[in-house]
Amino acid sequence: QKEVEQDPGPLSVPEGAIVSLNCTYSNSAFQYFMWYRQYSRKGPELLMYTYSSGNKEDGRFTAQVDKSSKYISLFIRDSQPSDSATYLCAMNLSGGYNKLIFGAGTRLAVHP
Amino acid sequence: NAGVTQTPKFQVLKTGQSMTLQCAQDMNHNSMYWYRQDPGMGLRLIYYSASEGTTDKGEVPNGYNVSRLNKREFSLRLESAAPSQTSVYFCASSDHNSPLHFGNGTRLTVT
Repeated sequence: QKEVEQDPGPLSVPEGAIVSLNCTYSNSAFQYFMWYRQYSRKGPELLMYTYSSGNKEDGRFTAQVDKSSKYISLFIRDSQPSDSATYLCAMNLSGGYNKLIFGAGTRLAVHP
Repeated sequence: NAGVTQTPKFQVLKTGQSMTLQCAQDMNHNSMYWYRQDPGMGLRLIYYSASEGTTDKGEVPNGYNVSRLNKREFSLRLESAAPSQTSVYFCASSDHNSPLHFGNGTRLTVT
């Protein structure tokens, strides 16, 4: 079993939809949780970063962490065609961004 | 300000050939990393260098060697390429309080 599981999709939604992306993990010691966005033929870029449980909002994006269920989510409101990308969850044990464990990524397509 | 630059962008090798993937960063970061990305597997850490002069194995180091040439440059070498090393390779850099900054990858095919 992988340490981090993520549905690869693809997920196809119309413009303006609310998108929910999720990851589950097995190591209860993970403390730091991140979401990266990766456009085609580009490197991943950090989208959201949260510590421990709770919610974090940044514009149209909301990250949620439920440590009791070992489940993290990324919500995208009012989705746009420019949101079409692969979204990777990542997490690690200690502070900082080193030695992240990544999910396989979910491919999202937002249609005009 | 280029960030993280990887060369080459594409490469095709025959089984048994060797090559070195180059990575340079201009953000004065202490730490540098090499990941590989395969369909369905996500990004997996091959080697990392926490600071100039140090290197450590990651999750999948077999078949690879690295050199931290100086603070800016971190290279990945395949001594005898195998088809299982066909992948997209990403270099990244970071500092203690900064997120990983990735390059745009090297797409390697081993036939």
